[in-house]
Amino acid sequence: QQPVQSPQAVILREGEDAVINCSSSKALYSVHWYRQKHGEAPVFLMILLKGGEQKGHEKISASFNEKKQQSSLYLTASQLSYSGTYFCGTDSGGYQKVTFGTGTKLQVIP
Amino acid sequence: NAGVTQTPKFRILKIGQSMTLQCTQDMNHNYMYWYRQDPGMGLKLIYYSVGAGITDKGEVPNGYNVSRSTTEDFPLRLELAAPSQTSVYFCASRTMAGFTDTQYFGPGTRLTVL
Repeated sequence: QQPVQSPQAVILREGEDAVINCSSSKALYSVHWYRQKHGEAPVFLMILLKGGEQKGHEKISASFNEKKQQSSLYLTASQLSYSGTYFCGTDSGGYQKVTFGTGTKLQVIP
Repeated sequence: NAGVTQTPKFRILKIGQSMTLQCTQDMNHNYMYWYRQDPGMGLKLIYYSVGAGITDKGEVPNGYNVSRSTTEDFPLRLELAAPSQTSVYFCASRTMAGFTDTQYFGPGTRLTVL
């Protein structure tokens, strides 16, 4: 079952904040976050393992609520370089297959 | 380290033709994956491998085959190409190292079937 992301699309002005949510119907072992720019391959941002931790580096962070089977990606003080499509990937254990979410298209404008 | 490399970058096939998409990684990762991404959509898992000699189906395996004879290489075979297989194909490898678990993607192969 594909995880569901919200919102589907968001437009931000430089310096604004955004939250992208990822929700799964399955129990999760881990959640991955990726960013994909147009015409390029996805780039790994971070992984969160079950335990409800929050991770981040600089102005991009994420949380994982394993009880609710949800993860959120937080982008603060957005920059033009943050533009792209963000995907969450969920892993329910076993053979470590990552199932990708529906994607959130984020556009940062000056 | 070259990371994950894929060839070719682009290919046009006629209906019914066959081809092999090549994928090589030089990071000694056991886990490797093939995904397809249709325009404006997310990634769908085609096949994956947890080590040399071990492969399994993903969500959309029909029309494809894989083999994994070495840790480095994970080729994807398309038999009897159909227009529905027009897509961008990404190969990926994964470290599976707990908190440093990272999935690395190749640059992709853009395939058009006419």
